[in-house]
Amino acid sequence: QITLKESGPTLVKPTQTLTLTCSFSGFSLSTSGVGVGWIRQPPGKALEWLALIYWNDEKRYSLSLKSRLTLTKDTSKNQVVLIMTNMDPVDTATYYCAHRDMGIYDDAFDIWGQGTMVTVSS
Amino acid sequence: QSVLTQPPSVSAAPGQKVTISCSGSSSNIGNNYVSWYQQLPGTAPQLLIYDNNKRPSGIPDRFSGSKSGSSATLGITGLQTGDEADYYCGTWDGSLTWVFGGGTKLTVL
Repeated sequence: QITLKESGPTLVKPTQTLTLTCSFSGFSLSTSGVGVGWIRQPPGKALEWLALIYWNDEKRYSLSLKSRLTLTKDTSKNQVVLIMTNMDPVDTATYYCAHRDMGIYDDAFDIWGQGTMVTVSS
Repeated sequence: QSVLTQPPSVSAAPGQKVTISCSGSSSNIGNNYVSWYQQLPGTAPQLLIYDNNKRPSGIPDRFSGSKSGSSATLGITGLQTGDEADYYCGTWDGSLTWVFGGGTKLTVL
């Protein structure tokens, strides 16, 4: 059974750096075709894709946020870390991580974490 | 403003059928698989449809997907009050970035 869980601060100040961790189980990020993505959702608004890291350490970033985002993975700990710099109140959102397996569902995020709400305020 | 265009809302009566459209371009829907997600109130999104028209195990066959050119459609038959949710389409855009539609709120009257 695949599960993912996001963790990190619930409140950050403007200009600070946000670090979120996605801890997962039920799969390995060293398996060919597997990836973990990050998606966020401001209150009452639509989903916005942020970034994706693959088993081979290839990374994809949202073009509009690329300069502020960094993704890393720790295969031994079954974790993916998302770093977002220069936080602004418009970054207030629920942040989700999600599993992707190209060998099963081709182009889709099949399992999502429960999400973690991050508020940016002074 | 999302790259993929969905109607903000749709509604229908219990037992009826509804369709939700997702319009894009050749750089996204036209050349990539489309997936659909259901987000019940206060919960994380759940995969409903992948590869344009396939259902993961556990998803009822009341949910269907199709794609034609640069547009995709989600269909739901036999509407139930429990289907009230936000629905999102998603796909690759230019194969390097993923995009979601703006979401559609389904109301079962």
